[in-house]
Amino acid sequence: QLQLQESGPGLVKPSETLSLTCTVSGGSITSSGFYWGWIRQPPGKGLEWLGTIYHTGSTYYNPSLKSRVTISVDTSKNHFSLKLSSVTAADTAVYYCARYFSYLDYWGQGTLVTVSS
Amino acid sequence: QSALTQPRSVSGSPGQSVTISCTGTSSDVGGYNYVSWYQQHPGKAPKLMIYDVSKRPSGVPDRFSGSKSGNTASLTISGLQAEDEADYYCSSYAGTYTFVVFGGGTKLTVL
Repeated sequence: QLQLQESGPGLVKPSETLSLTCTVSGGSITSSGFYWGWIRQPPGKGLEWLGTIYHTGSTYYNPSLKSRVTISVDTSKNHFSLKLSSVTAADTAVYYCARYFSYLDYWGQGTLVTVSS
Repeated sequence: QSALTQPRSVSGSPGQSVTISCTGTSSDVGGYNYVSWYQQHPGKAPKLMIYDVSKRPSGVPDRFSGSKSGNTASLTISGLQAEDEADYYCSSYAGTYTFVVFGGGTKLTVL
């Protein structure tokens, strides 16, 4: 059974860079046709797609966040990562990683990241 | 403001049917048969309920069905049960620039 697990700091200071890693187990991140993505959900609000990466390194970012988002993949560790720069309180959210085909079928449990000094 | 438009809330009594709409444009919902629906209970990760407009993943009851007409997709839940009370989100592929868009979510209340 495929499992995804987010990890990283739960508290980030304003103007700093948020960094999270999603570790994939029970399957390979290099499986053909599958992309890997990051989605976030501010408290009490809806889902927002941040970006997606293929194991070759091809990336697709939400145009509204493109200047601040970087997603990378490490196939040797079977994980992919998110960096979001210059964070503000508006970036406080539960951050999810998920597998994408034409849909998001496997999700991590989510990790709350709070932006506060 | 979300790219896809959903009603903020819907409700129904046990045993009844409800339909949740999801309206986009020809660049997302109308342009591809890649609409998916997710159920989210409080404090939990979203769960895939429908993919590719009308397909159900293994384990999802056949009370859940999906359809699409033009730029609007719909999720219908028949034979409502108490455990169906949750938030529901639609999503669509939107091309290689935007890639994925979500609806704002609909809160389903089972009366």
